[in-house]
This record gives sequence, C-alpha cells and structure tokens, in this order.
Amino acid sequence: EAGVAQSPRYKIIEKRQSVAFWCNPISGHATLYWYQQILGQGPKLLIQFQNNGVVDDSQLPKDRFSAERLKGVDSTLKIQPAKLEDSAVYLCASSSLGGGGYNEQFFGPGTRLTVL
Amino acid sequence: DAKTTQPTSMDCAEGRAANLPCNHSTISGNEYVYWYRQIHSQGPQYIIHGLKNNETNEMASLIITEDRKSSTLILPHATLRDTAVYYCIVYTGTASKLTFGTGTRLQVTL
Repeated sequence: EAGVAQSPRYKIIEKRQSVAFWCNPISGHATLYWYQQILGQGPKLLIQFQNNGVVDDSQLPKDRFSAERLKGVDSTLKIQPAKLEDSAVYLCASSSLGGGGYNEQFFGPGTRLTVL
Repeated sequence: DAKTTQPTSMDCAEGRAANLPCNHSTISGNEYVYWYRQIHSQGPQYIIHGLKNNETNEMASLIITEDRKSSTLILPHATLRDTAVYYCIVYTGTASKLTFGTGTRLQVTL
C-alpha cells in the first residue's frame, strides 16, 4: 500500500513570497489533515478535511494560509505571503473513517519550509 | 481534549525494555490514550491506543492504570531504530483533532 505522498520535500523562499505544498493521501482515505511542526515542538493541526469539506480550520491563519481538497482526494496548502515564523515542517496525514475511537493517522514525510 | 505530561527525555540500553510514562489526570471517560512516535526527519507513526484495558500489538504494550490517570508505553526489547520522540495523546474518538505535545525523546544506546 502506497503511503501519503508530499511534494516538494524542501523549499526555501524569501519573506513575502508565496509557496504551495501538495499532498496525495492514501487511496480511499476520507479524512486529510495538514499539520505545522515548528522545530522542537509537536505537530499542530492547521486544517482537517473530510472528503471535500472542512471539519476544523480553527488554527489556520486565514489571512495568509489557504487549503483546498478538490474531488476529495489531493490537497494543496498555500501560504501567501510568507513570514519568517512560517519556517517549519508541513505534514500531511490521512485516515479512514474508523469507528469506536479508532483514528490511526498516516503521515507523509513532510515539506521543510525555510523562509529567509 | 485532556492535556498530558511526559518526561522530556529518557535513555534506554539496546535490548532492554523501554518504559515511557504519561500522566493524563484530567482524562474524561470517553477519551482514548494514543501513542505515536516520530523518528528524525519522518512524519509521526501510530503505535497503539487504548481506552481502559491494557493493549498489546507487534510494536508495543500499553498499560493504563485503573483510574486511567496515567499510562505507560512499553517497548519490550528496544533497538537503535526505536530512537525517536514519543507522543502520548488523549483523544475523544470523534472527529476531534489529535493534539500533540512535545513528547518524550527516547535515546536507545549500545
């Protein structure tokens, strides 16, 4: 079974530039997550999709971050314009609709963003 | 979701059992205990989860105290490949999010 794919793996941009990350979840997984992981911290959820719809985007800085999941499969996360504090690893994860408290999330390798 | 408290770091000799504690004294009756780990430069990986009973799988065992206020993840025979950050998370089991803390950095040494 193929895992969660992300690209690019690394990105270096200057502040105020734009950047986009792409995620392809595991086939058949209805739920897709984007996390931000700053160095030394645990991942923080930015947005959660279930199929095409947004379940939780309470921690997404909507003035500069946007995300979409077209056709309930692939997803893109965009930052426009980037700030220095956006330097982090951006992780994508997916999960199937489990019951009884089961929520195993499968994570991709992440995209390491450096904003100069 | 309830908060968890974990030691910042632990060491373990290769081949010995690694016992990673987690306190979750404010856990609610419907919250599960989840463990994930993150090896350097990789995304987190699910290990195990439980509600009340102890659980075991091919990776680890999870021991939850009777009052559910704490738990221990046990790696029975740690190897160098188990060096990672281990996250203990409590989760309601609905569509709500997993909230990661800073975890325990486990260093397995020869």
